Amino acid sequence: NAGVTQTPKFQVLKTGQSMTLQCAQDMNHNSMYWYRQDPGMGLRLIYYSASEGTTDKGEVPNGYNVSRLNKREFSLRLESAAPSQTSVYFCASSGRQTSQPQHFGDGTRLSIL
Amino acid sequence: RKEVEQDPGPFNVPEGATVAFNCTYSNSASQSFFWYRQDCRKEPKLLMSVYSSGNEDGRFTAQLNRASQYISLLIRDSKLSDSATYLCVVNIGAGGFKTIFGAGTRLFVKA
Repeated sequence: NAGVTQTPKFQVLKTGQSMTLQCAQDMNHNSMYWYRQDPGMGLRLIYYSASEGTTDKGEVPNGYNVSRLNKREFSLRLESAAPSQTSVYFCASSGRQTSQPQHFGDGTRLSIL
Repeated sequence: RKEVEQDPGPFNVPEGATVAFNCTYSNSASQSFFWYRQDCRKEPKLLMSVYSSGNEDGRFTAQLNRASQYISLLIRDSKLSDSATYLCVVNIGAGGFKTIFGAGTRLFVKA
């Protein structure tokens, strides 16, 4: 009963390094999302994918790229990490219907030094 | 004006108390409504969907008032384990809908 799986759970990077965060869901959901959450703050949408083959920018896309590899997998890439990208990153997925809620992975805690 | 607004709190209540949170939304195209709970530095977890007729799940009751554009969450007989941040979430539109998360209301339940 995995749901949404994120890897890695923790990562420390140096400024300028690149890294890809992985997300996979086994609920046959069409839509997938990447959020970041800074301490004491709400969720902010980085990118989303409404269906396989499509991706769109969210509220804070700068410094990130995404790939919807297939229906199950949606990755987030930091090409040149900056300290301002230190955050907790959550992946989520949902079905196609408006009535369906999002389900979240347990997050990747990323620190950039 | 934010599309989804919540009182950030914190609400400090003793065990056994009843506590209620409200959430207002501004977009009349809002279709579906949810309450999530988020523990410190953990992922948001779906607590319950909110239906037009209101719904109850154990000690939790959710209500929707479309005319006034707000939803509410009532927690009865609060437990220490209810301490968390409660997020109000709205799906707006149909087809290509978007999801708006409220910033959350902090609840502390004390012994």
